[in-house]
Amino acid sequence: DAGITQSPRHKVTETGTPVTLRCHQTENHRYMYWYRQDPGHGLRLIHYSYGVKDTDKGEVSDGYSVSRSKTEDFLLTLESATSSQTSVYFCAISATGGKGYTEAFFGQGTRLTVV
Amino acid sequence: GQQLNQSPQSMFIQEGEDVSMNCTSSSIFNTWLWYKQDPGEGPVLLIALYKAGELTSNGRLTAQFGITRKDSFLNISASIPSDVGIYFCAVNTDKLIFGTGTRLQVFP
Repeated sequence: DAGITQSPRHKVTETGTPVTLRCHQTENHRYMYWYRQDPGHGLRLIHYSYGVKDTDKGEVSDGYSVSRSKTEDFLLTLESATSSQTSVYFCAISATGGKGYTEAFFGQGTRLTVV
Repeated sequence: GQQLNQSPQSMFIQEGEDVSMNCTSSSIFNTWLWYKQDPGEGPVLLIALYKAGELTSNGRLTAQFGITRKDSFLNISASIPSDVGIYFCAVNTDKLIFGTGTRLQVFP
């Protein structure tokens, strides 16, 4: 299995509180991604990173921020959690992107509930 | 943004039947990927396609990269109960974009 760990695996938080999810990899892969998965919407890209301190927005980035201060960690922060951010969040890693394709590996997911 | 239209949304089939699903886009892509997600797990890569017209098999799974580079197809032959899950198409342009998924249920 690819060395990718998400923490926490489950979290319940109150509306308006900040929340940070962590993705840690031991593969030294350049690309890291954060997705949310909701019924009927598949996997939607929130943010991604193509290197340390290099990040870009995905299709559903509003209300989320990310940071990547070292290769192995990619943090996703909900600045002020809302009920619409209740979802399952997946992190993925990939050695290359674009034309230089390699397989993307996924973490086990984090189930976040905002009450 | 880029959008991958995947169909059907769900399928309910009997064990032993063949399955077909497809993914289309208005944009051209150089790589098409097919993933499967088991309940409670993250998606896992099944097949990767690199060239227009390419047909690739992985056991009972066969996928094709459409000649226009705007679509791809996945077929599963002789389905079995462990084929249950959600199947996603995806494209990789730095932004790894996924389709909305096809949920497959297999009944004995």
